[in-house]
Amino acid sequence: DTAVSQTPKYLVTQMGNDKSIKCEQNLGHDTMYWYKQDSKKFLKIMFSYNNKELIINETVPNRFSPKSPDKAHLNLHINSLELGDSAVYFCASSQGNGLNTEAFFGQGTRLTVV
Amino acid sequence: AQTVTQSQPEMSVQEAETVTLSCTYDTSESDYYLFWYKQPPSRQMILVIRQEAYKQQNATENRFSVNFQKAAKSFSLKISDSQLGDAAMYFCAYRRRGGSEKLVFGKGMKLTVNP
Repeated sequence: DTAVSQTPKYLVTQMGNDKSIKCEQNLGHDTMYWYKQDSKKFLKIMFSYNNKELIINETVPNRFSPKSPDKAHLNLHINSLELGDSAVYFCASSQGNGLNTEAFFGQGTRLTVV
Repeated sequence: AQTVTQSQPEMSVQEAETVTLSCTYDTSESDYYLFWYKQPPSRQMILVIRQEAYKQQNATENRFSVNFQKAAKSFSLKISDSQLGDAAMYFCAYRRRGGSEKLVFGKGMKLTVNP
């Protein structure tokens, strides 16, 4: 069973479109994250949720809106896509009580905006 | 703010040899965690090794070991008996202790293993 799964793995879309990436974890973790990896491979946090509550919102355009329907799911919706949004987006999860610090990552979604 | 620096963008090593990847970080915290993640061409982020700052003993995982120098804020990864499958991007990462903290990554280093 995949611990953290994202769909889709690849997404090619035109500028101006709206798209969503879904993420699910079956590890029972209470914290989920979205990270963005740019073309230079740099990874940076975008959002994190703990028990469906937004706790980290780094400087991300308002066009990006995360939604967590329950603690096992964290989706990322992007409005009015721009060329600069092309990147790999990683979902991750961890147990937020600090005892187990490891973050488990999904396989990433490569978003290409044309 | 915490920062993580990997000063070497690329390295290469011969198969079966040993290579050391360097990482430094900056933080005012005293309790935190440090990680090395591996990202092969498959794109999957794989945890290689973890170090708790409060532990003086350096972490080891099979062929992978770290040299953690807390005062110097240095956290290097040593890969012994390098294998072709070790070829990947390697990321050093920092995480504050506490619930739901984010990972702060270095820029990564591309490791090539030559047969």
